Amino acid sequence: EAGVTQFPSHSVIEKGQTVTLRCDPISGHDNLYWYRRVMGKEIKFLLHFVKESKQDESGMPNNRFLAERTGGTYSTLKVQPAELEDSGVYFCASSQDQTHGYTFGSGTRLTVV
Amino acid sequence: AQKVTQAQTEISVVEKEDVTLDCVYETRDTTYYLFWYKQPPSGELVFLIRRNSFDEQNEISGRYSWNFQKSTSSFNFTITASQVVDSAVYFCALSEALGSGTYKYIFGTGTRLKVLA
Repeated sequence: EAGVTQFPSHSVIEKGQTVTLRCDPISGHDNLYWYRRVMGKEIKFLLHFVKESKQDESGMPNNRFLAERTGGTYSTLKVQPAELEDSGVYFCASSQDQTHGYTFGSGTRLTVV
Repeated sequence: AQKVTQAQTEISVVEKEDVTLDCVYETRDTTYYLFWYKQPPSGELVFLIRRNSFDEQNEISGRYSWNFQKSTSSFNFTITASQVVDSAVYFCALSEALGSGTYKYIFGTGTRLKVLA
């Protein structure tokens, strides 16, 4: 089976621009998660979808971040407008249910200059 | 509050040496899961192990072994006879209940392991 796919793998944008990250979970996985690692720090939870519903978005840093999962398949994470502190690696993960561990994607490295 | 501490920021060893990566956690949950993930230079997070809080048996998988000590809230990871391909960043993680049977992961800051030939 295909793993979790994230696109793009790298993105360099200027401060104030908009960027949209995409995640395709493993087919059939209802649970989809976004995490972020800012340089040298821990990987932090952003939010959790169950199908198309946001189950928990307590980790979203501010209202410049918008996540969607229309149709309960792939998800997008939009940052608008991007700030320098948004630079980091954004990971997506999916799981079949809560008794199984996540499968993570390769991440999107976002650099805001 | 839930917390995972990986005090070792970076470790360098020579190939074939054994190395232990430390992980200490804090949780208020009575049931939880602990994980180790490997992040090789290619960037993805590779699942290594998941341990239930009720299962304190140590586990061995090839050159990898894990020591779960609930009394000291530690979940250490040992690589025996390290190889250059083991070079990566290793993350320890703890599940935190969100409610409704769902979890999020609390990660440590990671330990960068460099295995020198």
